[in-house]
Amino acid sequence: EIVLTQSPATLSLSPGERATLSCRASQSVSSYLAWYQQKPGQAPRLLIYDVFNRATGIPARFSGSGSGTDFTLTISSLEPEDFAVYYCQQRSNWPITFGQGTRLEIK
Amino acid sequence: EVQLLESGGGLAQPGGSLRLSCAASGFTFSSYAMSWVRQAPGKGLEWVSAITGSGDSTYYADSVKGRFTISRDNSKNTLYLQMNSLRAEDTAVYYCAKRIAGAGLDCWGQGTLVTVSS
Repeated sequence: EIVLTQSPATLSLSPGERATLSCRASQSVSSYLAWYQQKPGQAPRLLIYDVFNRATGIPARFSGSGSGTDFTLTISSLEPEDFAVYYCQQRSNWPITFGQGTRLEIK
Repeated sequence: EVQLLESGGGLAQPGGSLRLSCAASGFTFSSYAMSWVRQAPGKGLEWVSAITGSGDSTYYADSVKGRFTISRDNSKNTLYLQMNSLRAEDTAVYYCAKRIAGAGLDCWGQGTLVTVSS
């Protein structure tokens, strides 16, 4: 099973700042890496798929990068609605796995 | 508009069974692989099971293998999860989700809560 480790566990930033979230895989996941945002009481929302492709309707301030085992989600300038929990997910090998999440909180 | 609507959750006793359903609309259901993902209270996301668009292939997390069965009825645009031998640790909100090509679940239902308790 591929283990995804996200860091940091919690990130405290202010609106307007840049957020950088990391996801490291225990082995290569090729380009099969996605990012999700989840707010309390809501289902997850797909942000990025296949490392760098923004899902439909996702603002350009969200971007994904990386390859192999190290991946990054960047939010260029935080908006108030961006404070949430973020998960990475791989589909390179079965079983599909998720990272443990990064909580992005308002400083 | 793409929509997924889960149902069938509720309270079950340890060792009991439940069947979840996920009604799909707004897309060609048979063309897409589907997954079930769960989230225990206050915890992260855990993938449970997946099925190809045709239903020919199924996949399971080790934690549910041999107890849960995923299936689909493409004539009814509905995904199912039969859950047997339920355990307390199966308590979670269960989401169905549609998979796009590559990695990515691009549409999720609102979730249905399963509680396993005596």
